[in-house]
Amino acid sequence: GAVVSQHPSRVICKSGTSVKIECRSLDFQATTMFWYRQFPKQSLMLMATSNEGSKATYEQGVEKDKFLINHASLTLSTLTVTSAHPEDSSFYICSARRVGVGYTFGSGTRLTVV
Amino acid sequence: GQQLNQSPQSMFIQEGEDVSMNCTSSSIFNTWLWYKQDPGEGPVLLIALYKAGELTSNGRLTAQFGITRKDSFLNISASIPSDVGIYFCAGQLSKGGTYKYIFGTGTRLKVLA
Repeated sequence: GAVVSQHPSRVICKSGTSVKIECRSLDFQATTMFWYRQFPKQSLMLMATSNEGSKATYEQGVEKDKFLINHASLTLSTLTVTSAHPEDSSFYICSARRVGVGYTFGSGTRLTVV
Repeated sequence: GQQLNQSPQSMFIQEGEDVSMNCTSSSIFNTWLWYKQDPGEGPVLLIALYKAGELTSNGRLTAQFGITRKDSFLNISASIPSDVGIYFCAGQLSKGGTYKYIFGTGTRLKVLA
């Protein structure tokens, strides 16, 4: 299979603080991972493509200094929401591709900024 | 961000009925995928389509990759209560050696027992 683990599943943080979300490929190596954001009753919007050993590629309109992505190993990508505000509250989902299997999504992280 | 047009937006059907939803785009895709998402979870892949005109089944699900490569449909036959959820299409864009998925706007399905 191709299992992608995302942690934490839920997090509540105070406005102005930073939150780190981890995405791990458990049984395969992923040179590329993707980060999505999903607002209630809406679709998944691609935020950025995380590339192992190099800088992430951000979609238009996504602030790279606010959403820091680090892909330091072949099995781990992290998304840090810096100086979080209530409007950053959302469901964040990562995905990774395993050759021959396709793309697998993590179970998501529900971020609530209060 | 870029999204695919998916319809219908939502639908209520009776158990046992067949369901059809489709996805259209102004862009050409070389891969189409269909996902189902349950509340509070990440999407789960249902069917992947890799070639224009391809028709693929997965149990009660059937999906087709449009000839123009700009559309796809998903059919669910003999729906059951556990089919409830949100269905998303996704198209893969490739450019300069990189690729990414663009998701449809979703179809919310509710099955009445």
